[in-house]
Amino acid sequence: DAGVTQSPTHLIKTRGQQVTLRCSPKSGHDTVSWYQQALGQGPQFIFQYYEEEERQRGNFPDRFSGHQFPNYSSELNVNALLLGDSALYLCASSADTYYGYTFGSGTRLTVV
Amino acid sequence: TQLLEQSPQFLSIQEGENLTVYCNSSSVFSSLQWYRQEPGEGPVLLVTVVTGGEVKKLKRLTFQFGDARKDSSLHITAAQPGDTGLYLCAGEFGGSQGNLIFGKGTKLSVKP
Repeated sequence: DAGVTQSPTHLIKTRGQQVTLRCSPKSGHDTVSWYQQALGQGPQFIFQYYEEEERQRGNFPDRFSGHQFPNYSSELNVNALLLGDSALYLCASSADTYYGYTFGSGTRLTVV
Repeated sequence: TQLLEQSPQFLSIQEGENLTVYCNSSSVFSSLQWYRQEPGEGPVLLVTVVTGGEVKKLKRLTFQFGDARKDSSLHITAAQPGDTGLYLCAGEFGGSQGNLIFGKGTKLSVKP
């Protein structure tokens, strides 16, 4: 059973560009959350999607947006990239948060 | 704003030693999870604790949730090199289901 799949694994973008990251949740999971993890830090919550709607949002600017599709997969879009957006972007899925989240291996985004 | 503090930040021990890492908050958790993360990978869930005073064991790992649900500890007995990694605690707070707040983690190195 495949866990959470994220693509691409690595990405290099130029400041000011836009990027789209993709996530396929674990089979049977309907909730997808996105996190940003800077080097040496714990993951920070960006937002969560459930039933194709944004259910919760962390303290991130509107440049960060997302989408969830009917098959529960999700995209994270970041516009007008800044150097400070360089980080590991993690996708996590769950069916019931009581049982915790399954994380993907992440997308390493470097903004130059 | 809820904050999680983990201590120690770094820990380097010899194989066979015991260790304890701590996770503290000024707010009450509705649930708390412990994850382990290896370089280049996403966090992997170890345990979820919900009830104050709860103790859970996973082989050589013992997790304890404080009576007041504001703190937790992870104790590893007879550490092995395979235990090396970043240990993260993450809490959900009342009314913020889905928004996991992570600590910065404890980076553990177990030397043979």
